[in-house]
Amino acid sequence: AQSVAQPEDQVNVAEGNPLTVKCTYSVSGNPYLFWYVQYPNRGLQFLLKYITGDNLVKGSYGFEAEFNKSQTSFHLKKPSALVSDSALYFCAVRDILTGGGNKLTFGTGTQLKVEL
Amino acid sequence: DAGVIQSPRHEVTEMGQEVTLRCKPISGHDYLFWYRQTMMRGLELLIYFNNNVPIDDSGMPEDRFSAKMPNASFSTLKIQPSEPRDSAVYFCASSIGQGRTGELFFGEGSRLTVL
Repeated sequence: AQSVAQPEDQVNVAEGNPLTVKCTYSVSGNPYLFWYVQYPNRGLQFLLKYITGDNLVKGSYGFEAEFNKSQTSFHLKKPSALVSDSALYFCAVRDILTGGGNKLTFGTGTQLKVEL
Repeated sequence: DAGVIQSPRHEVTEMGQEVTLRCKPISGHDYLFWYRQTMMRGLELLIYFNNNVPIDDSGMPEDRFSAKMPNASFSTLKIQPSEPRDSAVYFCASSIGQGRTGELFFGEGSRLTVL
């Protein structure tokens, strides 16, 4: 079965500094990988995805993610963190379903805290 | 475009009562998912539908849980009888299936508290 792991429960970073939220994956075949963000008392929002092609994927709100096949990683990054980036971040991997549909399996989430 | 709409946003009930959560997926989406989020277990997939048909309900915790999708624009998740351990945030999500890359679009969630 496809799976992702987020090794850090929480990441703290100062505003203006670069941030990295880590994710590693385990898949059979080509991975389809996603990042979602969840703000307090809200649903999950799609940030970005890797399907194929360029290993550096750009997404919403200035976030990007780097796909590394040799390290089976898909880390989320941002060059300069904002306090408003503080949220819960989920990495996810796609399972292809019978009939062509998609199911996402999520990691355990990483709480990002950006401080002044 | 309206996103995935869930109701109620908050529900407080007493143990033993029946709870019904509702979801309206995005128009045109043919997959619908019900997830549960708790601090202890994170995000768990409970059940998903394709074209209104339940495909996999292996994540439903027990027989007290049931889900239906009578048409393409409406789904319910029912808990009867409810127990305190069912307290969680329940999310509905929808997506387009065949040939697409798989983004799920989530509703705002229904926060359930069972006393």
